[in-house]
Amino acid sequence: EAGVTQFPSHSVIEKGQTVTLRCDPISGHDNLYWYRRVMGKEIKFLLHFVKESKQDESGMPNNRFLAERTGGTYSTLKVQPAELEDSGVYFCASSQVLTENTEAFFGQGTRLTVV
Amino acid sequence: DAKTTQPPSMDCAEGRAANLPCNHSTISGNEYVYWYRQIHSQGPQYIIHGLKNNETNEMASLIITEDRKSSTLILPHATLRDTAVYYCIVRVEGFQKLVFGTGTRLLVSP
Repeated sequence: EAGVTQFPSHSVIEKGQTVTLRCDPISGHDNLYWYRRVMGKEIKFLLHFVKESKQDESGMPNNRFLAERTGGTYSTLKVQPAELEDSGVYFCASSQVLTENTEAFFGQGTRLTVV
Repeated sequence: DAKTTQPPSMDCAEGRAANLPCNHSTISGNEYVYWYRQIHSQGPQYIIHGLKNNETNEMASLIITEDRKSSTLILPHATLRDTAVYYCIVRVEGFQKLVFGTGTRLLVSP
């Protein structure tokens, strides 16, 4: 069974440019999450989709970040325009339909560097 | 979610048991204790979770004190590949967001 896959694995962009990160969850997982770790900080929650709906987007840092999950399958996270402080590792995770004690499976992450 | 406290780092000799403590003194009755780890350059990986009973799986054992204010993750025979940052997280049943702290950096040495 394929795990959570993220693309690209690395991205280097200039300040002011746009970058789109993609996450393919495990097949059949309705729940999809985005997290990120910026330099020297802890892993922080960004948002949570249930199918195509945003369940919780309390962690999104500002309106330069836009997450979508059209059709309830893969998700994209767009940063526009990118700033230096957006550099970090962006993780995607997925889990099955909400039941008791569902665990989240994480992807390998996308390392974003804004120069 | 309740706050957790973990030592910043620990060392363990290969083949020995690694015992990673976690304090969660403000845990409430409906909060579970979860453990994840992050091996360098990989995404976090689920290890084990429990509510009040001790739990064991193929990766580790979780010992939760009777008052539930602390727990210990046990890797019975640590290998070099267990070198990672280990996160103890408490969360409400069914509540999906994970709140990561600073974790414990475990170094397993030959």
